[in-house]
Amino acid sequence: DVKVTQSSRYLVKRTGEKVFLECVQDMDHENMFWYRQDPGLGLRLIYFSYDVKMKEKGDIPEGYSVSREKKERFSLILESASTNQTSMYLCASSPLGQTTEAFFGQGTRLTVV
Amino acid sequence: AQTVTQSQPEMSVQEAETVTLSCTYDTSESNYYLFWYKQPPSRQMILVIRQEAYKQQNATENRFSVNFQKAAKSFSLKISDSQLGDTAMYFCAFMMPSGTYKYIFGTGTRLKVLA
Repeated sequence: DVKVTQSSRYLVKRTGEKVFLECVQDMDHENMFWYRQDPGLGLRLIYFSYDVKMKEKGDIPEGYSVSREKKERFSLILESASTNQTSMYLCASSPLGQTTEAFFGQGTRLTVV
Repeated sequence: AQTVTQSQPEMSVQEAETVTLSCTYDTSESNYYLFWYKQPPSRQMILVIRQEAYKQQNATENRFSVNFQKAAKSFSLKISDSQLGDTAMYFCAFMMPSGTYKYIFGTGTRLKVLA
């Protein structure tokens, strides 16, 4: 089975801190995604990557950056965390060029205080 | 740009009854894929069912089936014989098989199955 693992289930950080959210997948998928989930807004795409060192902005990239140094790992970085970035963050992966579904991690609930 | 709309923020259904969740989408493309995901309280997003736009036949997976109306750009999910374990958030998603194969999600419907 495909496994997408997010490093933390819950995280509490202070305003202004640099925050790293890590995601690892074990199925050799080319595509990896970071979504933010908020009540009433659904899942909104922050960034995605279709290859190592390649990245593209999604719909809400402001305040975030990403890193993909290895195929299996995709990191979301909050350069200076703010309270409006308190949210659920979901990582997903999928194989490039295939019409299968995206596979998700268990989510990280981040609280910025 | 493609958009996905789920107009029912919350729904409830009695155990063993049938419920239908609505989803509409907007695209000018003819080839695409649609998905329903379930997110239970454990937060793990699980695929419920998928539909290829080029197939006229509606997809079915056990108690879950879809009503896909391509001309109307509608993709509703029917859950038959609802069970307590069906209580979850349900998200409709769209994917176009070109370029980067991004997935676009709706805002979700929270379904509660009542005993």
